[in-house]
Amino acid sequence: DAGVTQSPTHLIKTRGQHVTLRCSPISGHKSVSWYQQVLGQGPQFIFQYYEKEERGRGNFPDRFSARQFPNYSSELNVNALLLGDSALYLCASSFGRGGAETQYFGPGTRLLVL
Amino acid sequence: EDQVTQSPEALRLQEGESSSLNCSYTVSGLRGLFWYRQDPGKGPEFLFTLYSAGEEKEKERLKATLTKKESFLHITAPKPEDSATYLCAADTTDSWGKLQFGAGTQVVVTP
Repeated sequence: DAGVTQSPTHLIKTRGQHVTLRCSPISGHKSVSWYQQVLGQGPQFIFQYYEKEERGRGNFPDRFSARQFPNYSSELNVNALLLGDSALYLCASSFGRGGAETQYFGPGTRLLVL
Repeated sequence: EDQVTQSPEALRLQEGESSSLNCSYTVSGLRGLFWYRQDPGKGPEFLFTLYSAGEEKEKERLKATLTKKESFLHITAPKPEDSATYLCAADTTDSWGKLQFGAGTQVVVTP
């Protein structure tokens, strides 16, 4: 079975631009979470979506938004990009949103903001 | 505030030299403690979930244990292919679906 897939793999943008990152969860998984990982640090939680609704939000500005589609795939949008948004963006999927469900991660999208 | 701390930051081992990685956590209520392995430029790969103090899980040369305040990942007789960053993460009762990660331990195993 295919794991979590993300696109694109790499992206270069300039300050002030907008970016959309995409994620397809493991078949049968209904929950998608997004994380930002800066070099040398652990992933930081951005959002969780379950059944197309936002169920959790981390400490990120309103420039970050996301949505989940009826097929459970998801998009992460970032507006007005800053240099500090350069990071590896990870998508993780799990079957439900219950406690301590294992989250399986995709390969990530490497975003560089110049 | 929930906090997860990993030590050491980096570990260099000779092939066959066993060692342990530490993950200490201060959280309001732990639902599960996760261990992941991450290779450079890739997403984290799931290793183990531990739910309660005293629980242990093993996979090949890796063994994870959990107490009320910390978790250990023991690497027995490591091989060069065990070189990676090992991340621990806590799932807590006050935040559904959010994994609180530590900064990771970078392990290098030399032949």
